[in-house]
Amino acid sequence: LAKTTQPISMDSYEGQEVNITCSHNNIATNDYITWYQQFPSQGPRFIIQGYKTKVTNEVASLFIPADRKSSTLSLPRVSLSDTAVYYCLVGAPGAGSYQLTFGKGTKLSVIP
Amino acid sequence: EPEVTQTPSHQVTQMGQEVILRCVPISNHLYFYWYRQILGQKVEFLVSFYNNEISEKSEIFDDQFSVERPDGSNFTLKIRSTKLEDSAMYFCASSDEGANYGYTFGSGTRLTVV
Repeated sequence: LAKTTQPISMDSYEGQEVNITCSHNNIATNDYITWYQQFPSQGPRFIIQGYKTKVTNEVASLFIPADRKSSTLSLPRVSLSDTAVYYCLVGAPGAGSYQLTFGKGTKLSVIP
Repeated sequence: EPEVTQTPSHQVTQMGQEVILRCVPISNHLYFYWYRQILGQKVEFLVSFYNNEISEKSEIFDDQFSVERPDGSNFTLKIRSTKLEDSAMYFCASSDEGANYGYTFGSGTRLTVV
């Protein structure tokens, strides 16, 4: 599995756009990039997934450059409720195995 | 939105006792998982389950642990003889068979071993 590196923590004011970058230099051809969000004492929640270029959903955007060695999760106009840990995961579904390997994630604190 | 349901939300047990953690995965999902998170630490993979058998397990998932899908809806994790270090949040998750790597996790069971 490709190793990922992301900042340990970030602070942002309410209403700002937040960009969290994840580095994954050893990403393999079949790997997808997936981001999860975790609130305290809750299970991780799937946010967004992409393979290349840009993916957008109602919650976030994911930007992936052509070399795919990094990706950026963009959260538009964050609110206090976006305070959480955000995990970047890289991997590909294998036959009969979809194990996820979580790192330490990025702890985002949104300040009023 | 479909949910993964876990019960109980919190369980306190004495060291050496057996515990069973219960999960109801999303109905049309085919892959089921248990993860755990010790307070302040990473989310760790325990086991994956597909087609009524374990497909993969981690080093954490030793002989004290077992999983079962006793009927068409429930998925259970049993710890035979709990230790203090088993205290953690235990998360059940499920996923479908597609290329979508998105799991759905439950809200977890907080297990406290005293």
